[in-house]
Amino acid sequence: EVQLVESGGGLVQPGGSLRLSCAASGFTFSSYEMNWVRQAPGKGLEWVSYISSSGSTIYYADSVKGRFTISRDNAKNSLYLQMNSLRAEDTAVYYCARDGDGDYVEGYFDYWGQGTLVTVSS
Amino acid sequence: SSELTQDPAVSVALGQTVRITCQGDSLRSYYASWYQQKPGQAPVLVIYGKNNRPSGIPDRFSGSSSGNTASLTITGAQAEDEADYYCNSRDSSGNHLRVFGGGTKLTVL
Repeated sequence: EVQLVESGGGLVQPGGSLRLSCAASGFTFSSYEMNWVRQAPGKGLEWVSYISSSGSTIYYADSVKGRFTISRDNAKNSLYLQMNSLRAEDTAVYYCARDGDGDYVEGYFDYWGQGTLVTVSS
Repeated sequence: SSELTQDPAVSVALGQTVRITCQGDSLRSYYASWYQQKPGQAPVLVIYGKNNRPSGIPDRFSGSSSGNTASLTITGAQAEDEADYYCNSRDSSGNHLRVFGGGTKLTVL
């Protein structure tokens, strides 16, 4: 059974840092591209970042570029999101999501974790 | 970057058919995927590609696309289908960026 379990969320002051983790199990983690998606309270979904299966290709949403860093450790079956210079508008539930292995034009997220809440407030 | 537009809210009578739409330029090049999200839960993939359902998704859910518009159709809506629905596709720039629609709140009457 595919499982994605996020951790590392919590309360942080504006300007602070936080590192999120996503532990993967039930599949060959090193073969899959991964993403972070977030959802502010009462708002819609927002794609945050993508990382290729090897970690060599990375993309970010403009809203987090230069402040967030995605990474992975395939030996530990883990995905990470280092968040620096946090702002109130970064307050959200952060989900890790696996890219499906269909055709490129399909581009879907087939499995999601349960999410971890990040609150940026003084 | 691309944008996807959804109606904020749609309602359907129990057992009737409802269509939820998603518009955006990226849909001329890429398929939409659709996600169901119930309160307090993570999103769940319900439709991807031309019209594919993951294992466990009822066959009353179907997808279609024409031009810059993708649609999610629920044929014979059930009470448990009441949820938020989001479309998503690759960004029209052709790289791995993704874009979500604003979501549609489906109410089953």
